Amino acid sequence: KAGVTQTPRYLIKTRGQQVTLSCSPISGHRSVSWYQQTPGQGLQFLFEYFSETQRNKGNFPGRFSGRQFSNSRSEMNVSTLELGDSALYLCASRPSVGELFFGEGSRLTVL
Amino acid sequence: QKEVEQDPGPLSVPEGAIVSLNCTYSNSAFQYFMWYRQYSRKGPELLMYTYSSGNKEDGRFTAQVDKSSKYISLFIRDSQPSDSATYLCAIALYEGGQFYFGTGTSLTVIP
Repeated sequence: KAGVTQTPRYLIKTRGQQVTLSCSPISGHRSVSWYQQTPGQGLQFLFEYFSETQRNKGNFPGRFSGRQFSNSRSEMNVSTLELGDSALYLCASRPSVGELFFGEGSRLTVL
Repeated sequence: QKEVEQDPGPLSVPEGAIVSLNCTYSNSAFQYFMWYRQYSRKGPELLMYTYSSGNKEDGRFTAQVDKSSKYISLFIRDSQPSDSATYLCAIALYEGGQFYFGTGTSLTVIP
């Protein structure tokens, strides 16, 4: 069974630009969560989608948004990038409840 | 106050040692407790998942939950160099709820 797939794996952007990251969950998983991981803050929850609806939301500014499609694939978007947005963005899926299965992440560098 | 606190380490032990990794959490309402392992440049992978007080064993790994003290631990017996990674504890209020992660403890097992 294929795992969680995230694209792109690495990307470099400049301040003020926007970025879209993509996540394909494990087949059959209807929930997709996004996390930001930085050395100082660890894993911070962005949001979770279940059946195309946002189910939970973390404490991030509105520049961070996401969506989920009918095939459970998800995208997250960050607009007006800031230097502090440099991080590893992790996507995780689960069937509905229970443990999270993570992808390898998209490493974003903002210059 | 963060929902869960974890000693960041780093921790360095000789091969074969017993390793103890610990987290404390703030709210006694948390019911689900997890340990994840993250290798460098990889996403976290689930090691242990439990929702009750007491011990849960899986091979060389034992997860311990003490709800009265709001304290969770992961013990690794006969540690191996392949155990060198960052270990993250995670907690959730309910099974479909948001996961709160500790900042991770970096472990190095020296051959």
